[in-house]
Amino acid sequence: DTGVSQDPRHKITKRGQNVTFRCDPISEHNRLYWYRQTLGQGPEFLTYFQNEAQLEKSRLLSDRFSAERPKGSFSTLEIQRTEQGDSAMYLCASSSGTSGGEKETQYFGPGTRLLVL
Amino acid sequence: AQSVTQPDIHITVSEGASLELRCNYSYGATPYLFWYVQSPGQGLQLLLKYFSGDTLVQGIKGFEAEFKRSQSSFNLRKPSVHWSDAAEYFCAVGAPYKYIFGTGTRLKVLA
Repeated sequence: DTGVSQDPRHKITKRGQNVTFRCDPISEHNRLYWYRQTLGQGPEFLTYFQNEAQLEKSRLLSDRFSAERPKGSFSTLEIQRTEQGDSAMYLCASSSGTSGGEKETQYFGPGTRLLVL
Repeated sequence: AQSVTQPDIHITVSEGASLELRCNYSYGATPYLFWYVQSPGQGLQLLLKYFSGDTLVQGIKGFEAEFKRSQSSFNLRKPSVHWSDAAEYFCAVGAPYKYIFGTGTRLKVLA
């Protein structure tokens, strides 16, 4: 069990550029989640996949954000036309998807820290 | 509204002292509760979880938490803190297909 991995760990970009982050979940997990964590705050839910289907999106996920999980394995989160307010830690988590959702244990990756200049 | 409150933003304790981190939740259904720890620049590591049954749950690294339904609380405790426990601690409640997190408590340990 190699755990959840995320790449890159750090990204510095200029305002207006596009960035893409990757998440590789634990191999047998069929549910994958993205969260955003700003300084001094707890993680906030962005979106959730079951296999390749994106089943829920937070209103935090503006139209500049898009997430995919094309083959039900790894996922990408893209931010277009980045803004300084997008600076945050982006966390990915996965779970085994064997219950109704509320009582699943989510396992988190190390996160990607984004800084928009 | 569903929410998690961690009233203490910062806590400082001496090494070897006992620790209690507070967590209060607001959730309309049966709560499933979690505590995670985050070291600087790192992701979240699960300490323990409560689903049902015994209201005192044991976790890793010597931590335990007690669920009190009447007080809507799920406080985290450790009898003797080690310097390596310095980190940020997050309480979360499981909502359908997501977690709702508190704002965290940053723990500082004095040698």
